[in-house]
Amino acid sequence: GQQVMQIPQYQHVQEGEDFTTYCNSSTTLSNIQWYKQRPGGHPVFLIQLVKSGEVKKQKRLTFQFGEAKKNSSLHITATQTTDVGTYFCAGSSGGGADGLTFGKGTHLIIQP
Amino acid sequence: DAGVIQSPRHEVTEMGQEVTLRCKPISGHNSLFWYRQTMMRGLELLIYFNNNVPIDDSGMPEDRFSAKMPNASFSTLKIQPSEPRDSAVYFCASSLQGGNYGYTFGSGTRLTVV
Repeated sequence: GQQVMQIPQYQHVQEGEDFTTYCNSSTTLSNIQWYKQRPGGHPVFLIQLVKSGEVKKQKRLTFQFGEAKKNSSLHITATQTTDVGTYFCAGSSGGGADGLTFGKGTHLIIQP
Repeated sequence: DAGVIQSPRHEVTEMGQEVTLRCKPISGHNSLFWYRQTMMRGLELLIYFNNNVPIDDSGMPEDRFSAKMPNASFSTLKIQPSEPRDSAVYFCASSLQGGNYGYTFGSGTRLTVV
């Protein structure tokens, strides 16, 4: 079945440093979504990418979808303590709400 | 909108007992998903429904697990009999079919089977 791999598993940064997490799928994706989960919380939807090579920005967050639609990345510029949490990518090979496969997430730990 | 509502928030039960988890999706969302989260396995899709119809239950680990969606505003996930390895956080999520607006997750049910 479809597998979505994410690296790194953990990332420690100093506040103000940049952070990047990478996501790779074993199959071509129709779309990829990113979620953030705070400690003790539930995943919260951040964004969806659909087009090959697509780049989207949300303030300090930049999301990219690879040309082959098998990989994606999330980059945070100048991290803040509020960025702490686990970032998940989730992909779907079919269109529509056919069940997302989640990566295992990258835990972002920020040292002030 | 109150969001996706799950109950109970916490459940502690003894091995062998029946456990029922409940979910109320966001009104107007016609897709509903049950996920299980553990440290070892991450977020696993158990089953999903479109318009109250189960579409894919291949993620349900065993026959001990069953899920129903009798109407658009309610779903249950049942484990009978429960085992210690079922201990996890169970999330329900809903979305508009097409999923283009992402999934909205509930706060989850933390299940502990002793």
